Amino acid sequence: AQKVTQAQTEISVVEKEDVTLDCVYETRDTTYYLFWYKQPPSGELVFLIRRNSFDEQNEISGRYSWNFQKSTSSFNFTITASQVVDSAVYFCALSEALGSGYSTLTFGKGTMLLVSP
Amino acid sequence: DGGITQSPKYLFRKEGQNVTLSCEQNLNHDAMYWYRQDPGQGLRLIYYSQIVNDFQKGDIAEGYSVSREKKESFPLTVTSAQKNPTAFYLCASSTSSVPSTGELFFGEGSRLTVL
Repeated sequence: AQKVTQAQTEISVVEKEDVTLDCVYETRDTTYYLFWYKQPPSGELVFLIRRNSFDEQNEISGRYSWNFQKSTSSFNFTITASQVVDSAVYFCALSEALGSGYSTLTFGKGTMLLVSP
Repeated sequence: DGGITQSPKYLFRKEGQNVTLSCEQNLNHDAMYWYRQDPGQGLRLIYYSQIVNDFQKGDIAEGYSVSREKKESFPLTVTSAQKNPTAFYLCASSTSSVPSTGELFFGEGSRLTVL
């Protein structure tokens, strides 16, 4: 069975600090996709990134960066110079193929990030 | 605008009553999904449907039922058999691709509180 582990339940930082959210996954699939979502207090899920299992290049988007390491089954997310607006719950997720071109997502339990001024 | 609409956003019900949550999409996606979110538990899959008139149980289907009579609609009924129905419910949809990318499009959620 697939599994996604986000060991950090809650992280508190002060604005402008860098913060890394950890994600470790388990899967038997050779082709899979990893995701990060942000959930602000309003509740909707905001898609941040999708990474396929064959692409281990790190990615940077503004203050966000992602480190995918297949050897350790990890897909960590770093926010540089955090801001109060980054306060949210962040979910890491792993695709599970259903066949016929569809997948479901297995989610971690989420990490709540609190950024104080 | 294309998207997924869930209603109602907030719902209060008495214990023992069945409740139906609506999910409509105009993205022309074939597949639709229902997830449940509890504090500190992440999202867990309740049911999914890949095609009209067909659906499969997810990890926590007990106490729930669904129907898929139209491509655009995938309502979820929380029955009185569901022991802890108070939760945040998220509907999602996806299109098919080879290989499947797993990209789901989510609605804004429905928060159900059972009193």
